[in-house]
Amino acid sequence: EVQLVESGGGLIQPGGSLRLSCAASGFIVSRNYMTWVRQAPGKGLEWVSVIYSGGSTYYADSVRGRFTLSRDNSNNILYLQMNSLRAEDTAVYYCAGGVSPLDYWGQGTLVTVSS
Amino acid sequence: QAVVTQEPSLTVSPGGTVTLTCGSSTGAVTSGHYPYWLQQKPGQSPRTLIYNTNNKHSWTPARFSGSLLGGKAALTLSGAQPEDEADYYCLLSYSGARPIFGGGTKLTVL
Repeated sequence: EVQLVESGGGLIQPGGSLRLSCAASGFIVSRNYMTWVRQAPGKGLEWVSVIYSGGSTYYADSVRGRFTLSRDNSNNILYLQMNSLRAEDTAVYYCAGGVSPLDYWGQGTLVTVSS
Repeated sequence: QAVVTQEPSLTVSPGGTVTLTCGSSTGAVTSGHYPYWLQQKPGQSPRTLIYNTNNKHSWTPARFSGSLLGGKAALTLSGAQPEDEADYYCLLSYSGARPIFGGGTKLTVL
């Protein structure tokens, strides 16, 4: 059974940094598309970033230059390093992945950016 | 940047049929946009029902189908059930590998 478990969310001041983790079981992160999607409170879904199996990464304009996606292949974990956080980054962050980018989803982790 | 449009809300009777659509500000939606359809119930993570226009996952109920219709991507629900009440999002891919979600359709089964 495929399972994705996000962690690392919390309350952070504007300008701060957080690193989100997505631990996968049941499939291999490095051999699949892995995506981050976020959802601000009461709002719709927003695509954030993707990493292809070959290692190429792509970012939404709203986070490019501030967020970095990486993988720990040994431990089968996906990371999202978030720097220079803004109030508008407040959201539940979902990890998703699979043979196609959104096959399986985690339960999400809440990031709140506030002073 | 493109804008992806969906109906804000729709209502369907139990057992009835409803079609949700997904349009693009750049023109007709084609299979090259690799349309996705996701379902999200309150308090839950989204789950993908349809990918690449009309492909279903093993967990996708047979009553859901995806297609292209009139220049848009479409999700048709035939034989609506109370448990289908949810928010539905489409996702379209554009050049540069940066897909865009639609604003979502709130489907009521009533």
